[in-house]
Amino acid sequence: QFTLKESGPTQVKPSQTLTLTCSVSGFSLSSQGVGVGWFRQPPGKALEWLALIYWDDDKRYTPSLKSRLTVTEDTSKNQVVLTMTNMEPVDTGTYYCARLYGASDNWYDPWGQGTLVTVSP
Amino acid sequence: QSVLTQPPSVSGAPGQRVTISCTGTSSNFGAGYDVHWYQQLPGAAPKLLMYNNNRRPSGVPDRFSGSRSGTSASLAITGLQPADEADYYCQSYDTGLRGSVFGGGTKLTVL
Repeated sequence: QFTLKESGPTQVKPSQTLTLTCSVSGFSLSSQGVGVGWFRQPPGKALEWLALIYWDDDKRYTPSLKSRLTVTEDTSKNQVVLTMTNMEPVDTGTYYCARLYGASDNWYDPWGQGTLVTVSP
Repeated sequence: QSVLTQPPSVSGAPGQRVTISCTGTSSNFGAGYDVHWYQQLPGAAPKLLMYNNNRRPSGVPDRFSGSRSGTSASLAITGLQPADEADYYCQSYDTGLRGSVFGGGTKLTVL
């Protein structure tokens, strides 16, 4: 059974850097074909894909946020870390991580429970 | 503005059939990439409902079915139940963005 769980601060101030950790169990981040994606969902709004990291350390970012995002993995801890710089109130929302499936037609399953991040002074 | 287009809401009475559409472009569905669907119950994380257009993960009842043709896709739910009341999202891969894209979500109300 695969599980993922997000952790990090519940509140950050504008201009600060957000660091979120996705702890996975039931699978290894270093296994061929494995990937973990990050997503966010502002309150009452749609899901948005943010970043993806593969088992071979290949990384992808959504173009509109690429300059602010960094995704890394610590295979020894089975954790994936997402950092987002220069946080603004519009970045408020629930952040999720999920396991990637599919070589090109990527889909995600399962998802973590999500962590709500509020950006306010 | 989401890359994939979904109706904001649909509704149906218990036992009825509803469909949720998802319209893409030449850089996702039109490029041959499949559609995947997620169900998000109120206050919960998204859950994979359908992958590769019409494949159901283990545990998803066959009341749910999916299809894709050209730049359009749809999710059908038959025998509507109150427990189906949720937000539904379509997702695909986009060659222009080189990443995953989602629809804006459709809120299903069971009357």
